[in-house]
Amino acid sequence: NAGVTQTPKFRVLKTGQSMTLLCAQDMNHEYMYWYRQDPGMGLRLIHYSVGEGTTAKGEVPDGYNVSRLKKQNFLLGLESAAPSQTSVYFCASVLAGKETQYFGPGTRLLVL
Amino acid sequence: QKEVEQDPGPLSVPEGAIVSLNCTYSNSAFQYFMWYRQYSRKGPELLMYTYSSGNKEDGRFTAQVDKSSKYISLFIRDSQPSDSATYLCAMSLQGAQKLVFGQGTRLTINP
Repeated sequence: NAGVTQTPKFRVLKTGQSMTLLCAQDMNHEYMYWYRQDPGMGLRLIHYSVGEGTTAKGEVPDGYNVSRLKKQNFLLGLESAAPSQTSVYFCASVLAGKETQYFGPGTRLLVL
Repeated sequence: QKEVEQDPGPLSVPEGAIVSLNCTYSNSAFQYFMWYRQYSRKGPELLMYTYSSGNKEDGRFTAQVDKSSKYISLFIRDSQPSDSATYLCAMSLQGAQKLVFGQGTRLTINP
């Protein structure tokens, strides 16, 4: 039981490049979330999903897209990376009806 | 004004001290209150979970919720160097699908 895993762990991008971050969970959780964490800002919700095939915007969705084609996977895409997207990205999942979110180890992204 | 306010610190205390971490919030409808601990370069992990008002104790950790003051606290007794981490408060509404996090407080326990 690996819990929540994230790929890659670290990435450097140039401005304008695109990339996809992958989150996978093996706990059969219905809900999944993408956050970004910046110094002094805490965790800010980017997008979330309450089930396969559904997604919704969070607090800071601009510049990001997501997809939930399979229940266990939640993808976060950056179509045209900007330096302002330099951050640590965390994925989380939770069982429907529960409040405890389980987090992945994070992806560190540097956009030059 | 942020919905949840938390002093980012940093907070540095000697080993063995009692630590008090706090958050205030503006939405009186919040019902679920959590504390997450995050070690450096790791993901947050749930430390304490409280529903509505009251206290909850787990070993050296005590979580308190005062809904009348919109104030929650986490106390750490007999603090250890291994408690050095960032502590994030989080809360949610009944039936909500999202958590609202505080900014996190960076805590260092000095041996």
